[in-house]
Amino acid sequence: QKEVEQNSGPLSVPEGAIASLNCTYSDRGSQSFFWYRQYSGKSPELIMFIYSNGDKEDGRFTAQLNKASQYVSLLIRDSQPSDSATYLCAVNPTGNQFYFGTGTSLTVIP
Amino acid sequence: GAVVSQHPSWVICKSGTSVKIECRSLDFQATTMFWYRQFPKQSLMLMATSNEGSKATYEQGVEKDKFLINHASLTLSTLTVTSAHPEDSSFYICSASRGLAGDEQYFGPGTRLTVT
Repeated sequence: QKEVEQNSGPLSVPEGAIASLNCTYSDRGSQSFFWYRQYSGKSPELIMFIYSNGDKEDGRFTAQLNKASQYVSLLIRDSQPSDSATYLCAVNPTGNQFYFGTGTSLTVIP
Repeated sequence: GAVVSQHPSWVICKSGTSVKIECRSLDFQATTMFWYRQFPKQSLMLMATSNEGSKATYEQGVEKDKFLINHASLTLSTLTVTSAHPEDSSFYICSASRGLAGDEQYFGPGTRLTVT
């Protein structure tokens, strides 16, 4: 079982819709969770982090964490073509360990 | 804040030569730095984790004698690809963390290596 699992997609949504990206993790003791965005040919950039159960909102982005279900998600409201990218979920179970998912490719269709 | 730079951004070298890639944290002290490799349309692959002043910890399957990592200061880590071969051509990305529990990683812009 992989440490972090994501659907590879591709996920396609029309412009203006809500994009929902999901991630599950295996280490129940994990405390820190991150979402990165990676455009084709570029390096990942951090867009959200969440530590506590519940929702965390930042602009059009909302991260949701459910530790009991070992599930973290990212919602992108009012999706724009510029949101088209691969989204990486990362989990930090302890210390300097980081586990990345393989990423979900999102395409926002104008 | 939290800016990480890499140099060079791209490099072409001949087979058999060595290439050094620098990774710098510009505005914070990076206790821990990570080196990743990414082939086209594939996911990030962690190569090694290095803590300042210590030997790097390499992931299984990564040759430590081929990929030399030095983390001599809190702002600089280097990756040297020795005796490069065409199959080493890839996108190499570093990231840095302050090393605090739960702290995020900040990625450099990456270095595209082509070995001819």
